[in-house]
Formats: sequence, structure tokens, C-alpha cells
Amino acid sequence: GQNIDQPTEMTATEGAIVQINCTYQTSGFNGLFWYQQHAGEAPTFLSYNVLDGLEEKGRFSSFLSRSKGYSYLLLKELQMKDSASYLCAVGPVYNQGGKLIFGQGTELSVKP
Amino acid sequence: DVKVTQSSRYLVKRTGEKVFLECVQDMDHENMFWYRQDPGLGLRLIYFSYDVKMKEKGDIPEGYSVSREKKERFSLILESASTNQTSMYLCASRTMGNEQFFGPGTRLTVL
Repeated sequence: GQNIDQPTEMTATEGAIVQINCTYQTSGFNGLFWYQQHAGEAPTFLSYNVLDGLEEKGRFSSFLSRSKGYSYLLLKELQMKDSASYLCAVGPVYNQGGKLIFGQGTELSVKP
Repeated sequence: DVKVTQSSRYLVKRTGEKVFLECVQDMDHENMFWYRQDPGLGLRLIYFSYDVKMKEKGDIPEGYSVSREKKERFSLILESASTNQTSMYLCASRTMGNEQFFGPGTRLTVL
């Protein structure tokens, strides 16, 4: 079966660092995506990890451990505009058009 | 700049009506997708298409159909809308590099 777990919601303070975890159990694995989604808007791409390790992109970093079925998104120097839902997704599933399998999303609230 | 557009941001329909949701992408992508997003359930795949006139069922196709007559356009059809189809509908297209670009979404309410 396919299962992707991430916390439902998190709260952090402006200027701080927050880590959003994602664990997955899927029948195949080709990579792990993180998307950001502000309320009422489309998800926007943040990162794509295929190999183990940490990938850094400005204030955002994403880590993957394929042997543990685990990823995290690290957000540094939090800003109020980082308040959003963060979606973890596994894929693409090539025999289904390259679809992504999404977790439920983590609602992050950044407080002053 | 990458662009996926959807015909409506908000739509209100009555039970039993036929509903058309349109999606257009300008990136010449072959693969396109329709998801619905519900609180606590995340995004779930309804249908996808990997070429013109080609379509495949996703994880929750019941009550829906799709049409892909042109490469840039992928339409989702609710044959007879029901209240349990009230949801946010998101269209996406996929690059060769595997990234999916999403449209702004259509929030559909069925009364």
C-alpha cells in the first residue's frame, strides 16, 4: 500500500528554525517532493530529492533517507509569509503518468 | 514563465447538473492531471492524461470523466454533480524533469 505521514499542524516563531518531517511507505520510490501552499492558492514547488542527503536552497533545505523512508523540510529564519501548508509527495509513479502521491499536508503557523 | 490556468476560481452548482472544469497549460507538456483536495485527505488523483485523446483513471475516478482533445487543454467533467463532489479541484502538468506545476484551483460547491 501507499502511506505518507506528516504532522497536521505546527507553530513556530518568526526568526526561528522549524523542521517538518515526512515518513513514507510506498511500493516504489522515484523521489520525494516538497510543495508550499498558501491558503486558497495552488501548491508551488519547493524541492525534489532523489538521492540521500541534504539539499539546500536559500532558507529552505530538504533531507532524504531512502533506507528509513524519511524526509524533512527545514525552514530557517522564519518569516510571517512562511505561514502556509507544506505538502510532502512521493513520485513520480511512472506507470501512472508520473502522478504524485501526497501526504495530508502540514499547516505551519508563524507567530511574531 | 510556466503557466497553468483553470477556467474558474469559484463555482456553485446544483445537484444533478453537468459541470465542466477546464485547464490549459502553455508549456507543451504531455502529462496532465486532475486532483481534488479535501481537508484531512490531501490531494487525490482523479484522472490523468499522457497524450492527446489518451486518459487513464486515477485513484478516485467515480463520478468523473475527462477529455483531452488538444495537448494544451485537459477538461474534467462531473456528469451529474453531487454534494460529495464539493471540493477544491487542482489541475497540474508535468515537466520531463518530473516537476508538476499546478493551476490556481477551482473551488466547487454543489448545493
